[in-house]
Amino acid sequence: GENVEQHPSTLSVQEGDSAVIKCTYSDSASNYFPWYKQELGKRPQLIIDIRSNVGEKKDQRIAVTLNKTAKHFSLHITETQPEDSAVYFCAASNSGANNLFFGTGTRLTVIP
Amino acid sequence: DAGVIQSPRHEVTEMGQEVTLRCKPISGHNSLFWYRQTMMRGLELLIYFNNNVPIDDSGMPEDRFSAKMPNASFSTLKIQPSEPRDSAVYFCASSLLGAREQYFGPGTRLTVT
Repeated sequence: GENVEQHPSTLSVQEGDSAVIKCTYSDSASNYFPWYKQELGKRPQLIIDIRSNVGEKKDQRIAVTLNKTAKHFSLHITETQPEDSAVYFCAASNSGANNLFFGTGTRLTVIP
Repeated sequence: DAGVIQSPRHEVTEMGQEVTLRCKPISGHNSLFWYRQTMMRGLELLIYFNNNVPIDDSGMPEDRFSAKMPNASFSTLKIQPSEPRDSAVYFCASSLLGAREQYFGPGTRLTVT
């Protein structure tokens, strides 16, 4: 089955700096890669996703890149703000099944 | 849309008691997922249904756990008997089959003493 690894487990940045979270996956058949943000005591919320037919996707301050050859994908947050502080999860899925395989999460702290 | 609805939001019970968690998916969604989240194990998929049919229950920890989806708008996750190690937050999520985006409910925080 699919194995998703996520790094780093914790990340602290100064407000205004960029943050990058990286994930690798094992199943070359995976073709859908969402990112979820989970604030303390809240539910995971989908913030951005990418499919394997594109290499990059942007939504305001958030971008995701995908390298299918290397089987890794990354979340980039620019101009970080304190409200970006949360746990971020990456996940992977293939078209044969609609379940998601989640990474172990990255706790991002943005220091004002 | 009300989103995914879960009840109860908090449950405290004693070891050995039966616990039933409930989930109502987003109207029109035909895939439903049950997850468990703990600090030690992260976010684990327990079971998921497509069109009310269980597809993969390999994540269900043991026979004490069971899940049903009697119709498109309701699912239950039952633990009988409960044990302290079952303490966790249990999330339900739903999606449109083929659309892939999953939307999570608010979760049920279960504490077994």
